[in-house]
Amino acid sequence: AQSVTQLDSQVPVFEEAPVELRCNYSSSVSVYLFWYVQYPNQGLQLLLKYLSGSTLVESINGFEAEFNKSQTSFHLRKPSVHISDTAEYFCAVSLAVLSGGYNKLIFGAGTRLAVHP
Amino acid sequence: EAGVAQSPRYKIIEKRQSVAFWCNPISGHATLYWYQQILGQGPKLLIQFQNNGVVDDSQLPKDRFSAERLKGVDSTLKIQPAKLEDSAVYLCASSLGTTQETQYFGPGTRLLVL
Repeated sequence: AQSVTQLDSQVPVFEEAPVELRCNYSSSVSVYLFWYVQYPNQGLQLLLKYLSGSTLVESINGFEAEFNKSQTSFHLRKPSVHISDTAEYFCAVSLAVLSGGYNKLIFGAGTRLAVHP
Repeated sequence: EAGVAQSPRYKIIEKRQSVAFWCNPISGHATLYWYQQILGQGPKLLIQFQNNGVVDDSQLPKDRFSAERLKGVDSTLKIQPAKLEDSAVYLCASSLGTTQETQYFGPGTRLLVL
């Protein structure tokens, strides 16, 4: 069965420190990969996505993620975090449902990033 | 461009009561999704519509949950009767198509069943 594992449920970090949020997936078919962010009392917002091409993808606010096919991982990194990055981060895999001709988004359990001054 | 709209934002009911949630997707988006997000877990897909047809409802508890998307625009999700374990945030999302397009999420409806 396909699944997404976010290895850390909570990550505390000091402001301006680097951070890595880990994500591994299991799938026997090609996948598209996403990171979504959820700020308190808000809906999920797309942070970045990998569809094809360069395995390193970047967001407009300094986050980046690298698709590693051999390790089935899509870890999210930022070299220097801000207080405003405090949020819940969800890794998601879009899997093709071949019998139906559509894709299905499977989410990990989320990682709560807490940035402290 | 307006985002995905959901109402109500919060709802408290007693078990065995019924409740309905409403979602209006981004204009022009053919695909609409309902997710259930239980505290401490990631969102789980309940049902996916393409226009007004159901694409996937394999994880929808059909004995108590129902959803419709009449006219292929807005949608309602209903729970009848509600159970304690239905307490969760119900998220609606929409996208242009059904493959690798980005899904855009609404703010969610937080349901508490007492």
